[in-house]
Amino acid sequence: NAGVTQTPKFQVLKTGQSMTLQCAQDMNHNSMYWYRQDPGMGLRLIYYSASEGTTDKGEVPNGYNVSRLNKREFSLRLESAAPSQTSVYFCASSVLLALTDTQYFGPGTRLTVL
Amino acid sequence: AQTVTQSQPEMSVQEAETVTLSCTYDTSESNYYLFWYKQPPSRQMILVIRQEAYKQQNATENRFSVNFQKAAKSFSLKISDSQLGDTAMYFCAFIHRSSNQFYFGTGTSLTVIP
Repeated sequence: NAGVTQTPKFQVLKTGQSMTLQCAQDMNHNSMYWYRQDPGMGLRLIYYSASEGTTDKGEVPNGYNVSRLNKREFSLRLESAAPSQTSVYFCASSVLLALTDTQYFGPGTRLTVL
Repeated sequence: AQTVTQSQPEMSVQEAETVTLSCTYDTSESNYYLFWYKQPPSRQMILVIRQEAYKQQNATENRFSVNFQKAAKSFSLKISDSQLGDTAMYFCAFIHRSSNQFYFGTGTSLTVIP
């Protein structure tokens, strides 16, 4: 069991470029999440997916899109990257949508937008 | 509004000693869940301990225990017999049962000194 995996680990973009962050889990979890973590702050929820085929906005969705490709995979897309999106991005999953359920996190992707 | 406050940005403790990390939260709900997550230098977020608000008994996990004071809206984490591997950033997190929003504190950086 690899748990939650994320690719890439590091990425540098120029302003205006686009990219997709990939996340996959092999725990047969129903729900998946994308967070960003900025210096001096806790995690902030960007988007989540209760189950395959559904997605919903979290606290800070602007500038992002997501796709729940199948039960295993949940990708985060930046269509036109901005320096304000420089952050560390974490994907997580849980058995149920209820965020009261234990979430398992991936190792994170460090994104720098120049 | 739901907020989580960790008032200690940095703490240190001698190896084998006990340390307590504080966390307070604000909510008008009565049914919610609290978590402590550990983030070591590897950046992986790891669940340390989980507490359901309706349970009066404080949660414990090996060397980790909480002091949950519901009336005071306080949720501190006690680490006994501190080990070098406990060096990490610790995040307090909160969610109430009816919400899809996970709230994290800003974290406490703990260093265990040999």
